[in-house]
Amino acid sequence: AQSVTQLDSHVSVSEGTPVLLRCNYSSSYSPSLFWYVQHPNKGLQLLLKYTSAATLVKGINGFEAEFKKSETSFHLTKPSAHMSDAAEYFCVVSGQNDYKLSFGAGTTVTVRA
Amino acid sequence: DAGVIQSPRHEVTEMGQEVTLRCKPISGHDYLFWYRQTMMRGLELLIYFNNNVPIDDSGMPEDRFSAKMPNASFSTLKIQPSEPRDSAVYFCASSLGLAGDHYEQYFGPGTRLTVT
Repeated sequence: AQSVTQLDSHVSVSEGTPVLLRCNYSSSYSPSLFWYVQHPNKGLQLLLKYTSAATLVKGINGFEAEFKKSETSFHLTKPSAHMSDAAEYFCVVSGQNDYKLSFGAGTTVTVRA
Repeated sequence: DAGVIQSPRHEVTEMGQEVTLRCKPISGHDYLFWYRQTMMRGLELLIYFNNNVPIDDSGMPEDRFSAKMPNASFSTLKIQPSEPRDSAVYFCASSLGLAGDHYEQYFGPGTRLTVT
């Protein structure tokens, strides 16, 4: 079984400052890890994924995440927040050959002008 | 590609009525998933199909819920009779595979269901 814990339910940043969204996972297998973003009244969009290749994963819109097995973490970062980054972000884990995605509770990001 | 298409985007119905949600997956994707999102429970997998065949429906809440996939380009999720506690956003997602580089699920925009 696998699970994720998103350590912050809400993050507020100023435009132009870095964003850090924290995620810890638990998995019995070598996990696949994903970050999805959901803008208000929209579906989920894949930002990036880790599937046992490079531990530093670059995604769309300037986001990246680093897989740290020793810390069981997969934190999402962006060096400079933009107003359009205001959304809800989900950290997601799946086990090896396991279609069942386990979603974190989500982190709501607010960007201040 | 247009992505995963869902209809309707919003549905308001009265308790006891039948509700049918529709989904068109991305062409060529062999896997289709139905999810429900609520504030209380977050995102939950209801059922998934592989090559039009239901594989795991253990997440379907009760017999009032049913899902079909008559062909590779169309799936429905039906609730009969609907109840207020079914109010949620229902997402459909599709993927090429279940592992490795093919394992990303692409989500539709969702259907917001309100049962009064």
